[in-house]
Amino acid sequence: QVLLVQSGAEVKKPGASVKLSCTASGYTFSNFYMHWVRQVPGQGLEWMGVISPSSGSTTYTQKLQGRVTMTRDTSTSTFYMELNSLRPEDTAVYYCARDRQELVRGNYYDPWGQGTLVTVSS
Amino acid sequence: DIQMTQSPSTLSASVGDRVTITCRASQSVNYWLAWYQQKPGKAPNLLIYKASSLKSGVPSRFRGSGSATDFTLTISSLQPDDFATYYCQQYNTYPVTFGQGTKLEIK
Repeated sequence: QVLLVQSGAEVKKPGASVKLSCTASGYTFSNFYMHWVRQVPGQGLEWMGVISPSSGSTTYTQKLQGRVTMTRDTSTSTFYMELNSLRPEDTAVYYCARDRQELVRGNYYDPWGQGTLVTVSS
Repeated sequence: DIQMTQSPSTLSASVGDRVTITCRASQSVNYWLAWYQQKPGKAPNLLIYKASSLKSGVPSRFRGSGSATDFTLTISSLQPDDFATYYCQQYNTYPVTFGQGTKLEIK
């Protein structure tokens, strides 16, 4: 079955960077865009951006432009999301979420990874 | 950015009840709207896309409707497994945006 397995929880100091991974299996890696969505504990969902698995091209939310970088490794079917200059307000659960539609950006998500908690604290 | 506003924020209901959650967009999103269910400590799970298309495997008691700026999610007969938080999401325009969520509680 389709599975997205994310890396483990991280604790970072303000100003540091974090790089999260999301390893995909059970489907053709190159056929589905991958999105990243974050959720501050107890709050709503915020879309961060999307990456094409084939070309590596990305679209980011303007709010995070300049601080976020999404990449992928086709040899290991793994997606990465790096966030720089971390702030306490970046404390959140970060999800990778596969696009539901094949070969196009449908922009709705199924399935999701299990999430990675990133805590930013001095 | 398109703002998505859900109401109510919290809904108390009983097993067997029919409930409706509303989602309003600050501008038209056509029918590019999805609904997700999220349980504590878990990732969201897609229920409905394109406003009214039910994802395969989702029980038929879930129904989505609406277009443009006004959408609803209706659960026809609540089951114990349905108590969760529900989010709407527009995907008409980047950035994709979500509603703030509706927590469905047991009365």
